[in-house]
Amino acid sequence: QVQLQESGPRLVKPSETLSLTCSVSGGSVSSGFYYWTWIRQTGGKGLEWIGYIYDSNRVNYNSSLTSRLSILLDTSKNQFSLHLASVTAADTAVYYCAAVASGTNRIPTGIIDSWGQGTLVTVSS
Amino acid sequence: EIVMTQSPATLSVSPGESTTLSCRASLSVDYNLAWYQQRPGQAPRLLIYDASTRATDIPARFSGSGSGTEFTLTIIGLQSEDFAVYYCQQYNSWPPGTFGQGTKVEIK
Repeated sequence: QVQLQESGPRLVKPSETLSLTCSVSGGSVSSGFYYWTWIRQTGGKGLEWIGYIYDSNRVNYNSSLTSRLSILLDTSKNQFSLHLASVTAADTAVYYCAAVASGTNRIPTGIIDSWGQGTLVTVSS
Repeated sequence: EIVMTQSPATLSVSPGESTTLSCRASLSVDYNLAWYQQRPGQAPRLLIYDASTRATDIPARFSGSGSGTEFTLTIIGLQSEDFAVYYCQQYNSWPPGTFGQGTKVEIK
C-alpha cells in the first residue's frame, strides 16, 4: 500500500479554481500499479468519484465535472493534482486523493486500496 | 448509474455483540463489491473486496458475503474501534463505482 497526503488551500472564493496536490510515498506514480484518483465527500451527496489519472496521459473524469476539471501527474515530485475551475458553494467538500489498484493487464479494479487523510475545502467569499 | 442502498441507516449495538449490515445494488454487480470503514475525522479504510475477501490487516471478526444485488457485512464481537460508519461500493461499473449512503454503527 502507498501513503497519500493532500495539500492545498482550505478556502477558495466562488468562481475561482480549487487546486489540491497529493503527495505519494511508498510507491511511484509512474509504476502503473495504481490509478491515481480523487474522491470527495459531502453530507448531502455522500462519497463521489471525481476522476483519475494513469500513466500521465490517461484521464477519466466524472461527466458532471468534466468541463471544469483537470487532473495532472508530476512524476518528478511523485505527486498528482486536482484543478477544479469556476467553483461554487456546491463544491464545498472533503477532498480525498486515493489509489485504485490496477489488476490484470493494468485494467483498474475499482478497489480503493489507499486513501489520503482528506482535506476540507470550503468555497466562500 | 448503479444505485447502492444500505440499511439500516443506524445500528445501535452493545460492545461485544455481533451485527449485520446490508447493501443492495439496483443492478447486479456480480462479486464486485467492497466495504469501507470510516471512523470520525478519518478517511475511509478498505475492509472487504470482491464481496468476501478481507483486505490486508483486517481482523477476522469482519466478514462479507453476497453476490449479484444483495450483500452483507457481519461484525462479530464488536470492539470499541468498530463503532464507525460503513460504506459499500460497487466497482462492477467503474468508474464511477458508486457508494452507498452508509450505515452508522453506534454504541447502544
